[in-house]
Amino acid sequence: DVQLTQSPSFLSASVGDRVTITCRASQGISSYLAWYQQKPGKAPKLLIYAASTLQSGVPSRFSGSGSGTEFTLTISSLQPEDFATYYCQQLNSYPLTFGGGTKVEIK
Amino acid sequence: QVQLVQSGAEVKKPGASVKVSCKASGYTFTSYGISWVRQAPGQGLEWMGWISAYNGNTNYAQKLQGRVTMTTDTSTSTAYMELRSLRSDDTAVYYCAREDSSGYYHDWGQGTLVTVSS
Repeated sequence: DVQLTQSPSFLSASVGDRVTITCRASQGISSYLAWYQQKPGKAPKLLIYAASTLQSGVPSRFSGSGSGTEFTLTISSLQPEDFATYYCQQLNSYPLTFGGGTKVEIK
Repeated sequence: QVQLVQSGAEVKKPGASVKVSCKASGYTFTSYGISWVRQAPGQGLEWMGWISAYNGNTNYAQKLQGRVTMTTDTSTSTAYMELRSLRSDDTAVYYCAREDSSGYYHDWGQGTLVTVSS
């Protein structure tokens, strides 16, 4: 199984900060990676797919990059509505797996 | 617009079974697969498996093999996930998600809380 390791697991940041979250895969997954945002009590929301493609309707301050085993999600200027938990997911091979999550909290 | 509406919360005793439904609308049901993902309280996301709404093919997480069955009813555009021999660690919110042609989850149900308690 492909293990996904997200770092950091917790992040404290201020509005306007640039934030970067990393997702490392235990083996190469090409660009078959998605990023989701989840707020308490809500279903996850797709932000980025195919490692770097912005989902329709998602603000352009979100961006994704990487391929192979190392991927990043960047929020260029953190907004109040961005405080949430973020998960990566690999779709290269079954079983599909998620990273452990990164909780972004207000500093 | 695409909607996935799941059945309501359930409370089950250990050893029992639960069947969660996911009614789809706003797209051609048989054109996309449905995956099931669960989330234990305060924990991360866990992929449970996938079913093709076109032909019923399935792929289950190894740890759930033998206890989980995913089915679809194309006449009502509804997907089902049945989990048997429930244990306390099956307590979680269960989500269905629609895959696009590349497998990414663009649309999610609202989630169904399943509580397993004696």
